[in-house]
Amino acid sequence: EAQVTQNPRYLITVTGKKLTVTCSQNMNHEYMSWYRQDPGLGLRQIYYSMNVEVTDKGDVPEGYKVSRKEKRNFPLILESPSPNQTSLYFCASSARTSGDPWEQYFGPGTRLTVT
Amino acid sequence: KQEVTQIPAALSVPEGENLVLNCSFTDSAIYNLQWFRQDPGKGLTSLLLIQSSQREQTSGRLNASLDKSSGRSTLYIAASQPGDSATYLCAVRGNRGSTLGRLYFGRGTQLTVWP
Repeated sequence: EAQVTQNPRYLITVTGKKLTVTCSQNMNHEYMSWYRQDPGLGLRQIYYSMNVEVTDKGDVPEGYKVSRKEKRNFPLILESPSPNQTSLYFCASSARTSGDPWEQYFGPGTRLTVT
Repeated sequence: KQEVTQIPAALSVPEGENLVLNCSFTDSAIYNLQWFRQDPGKGLTSLLLIQSSQREQTSGRLNASLDKSSGRSTLYIAASQPGDSATYLCAVRGNRGSTLGRLYFGRGTQLTVWP
């Protein structure tokens, strides 16, 4: 089954404790992204990657890091989490091939609480 | 920068009504437009995707139209049901350079259909 998986699905942590949210897709997609969703602000892109070793900042990259060492994985790293990073996080992937509509697929989300 | 606006922000209707949700975007240089559904605290489910060269797409009771030149899309829901209650999100993908890897989201329309 084609899917995007994220782990963990729920995480409560304390300020300053480094954490990683993993994202993996099994569709051989080149493009992967991370979004955060906050009430009243909608979905905002954090980082995106157009292929292995190619990443770029989205709209709200401060406080986050990403890496793309393998095509299928795109982890989101919070080196020193702060309470304003409490949010619902989504990973997404897509691919562009000839004739492909370039549909975006989303993971189930990770709800992060930083106290 | 692409800005996506959805109107109305919230909508409450009795069961059986036909609905129109609106989405507008500021930059007509798009590759495609995608409508999503999101249930509270859940992930995004893709409903319809319209390529920039298309005028509309249909799936069951849903019909989405696209007028790229005027920067507008509508999602039409026929014979609404309580199970349609959710937040509906509109997103556009740019068609050049780094915007190809990005989706720009509206803030959504929160729909409630009561029996």
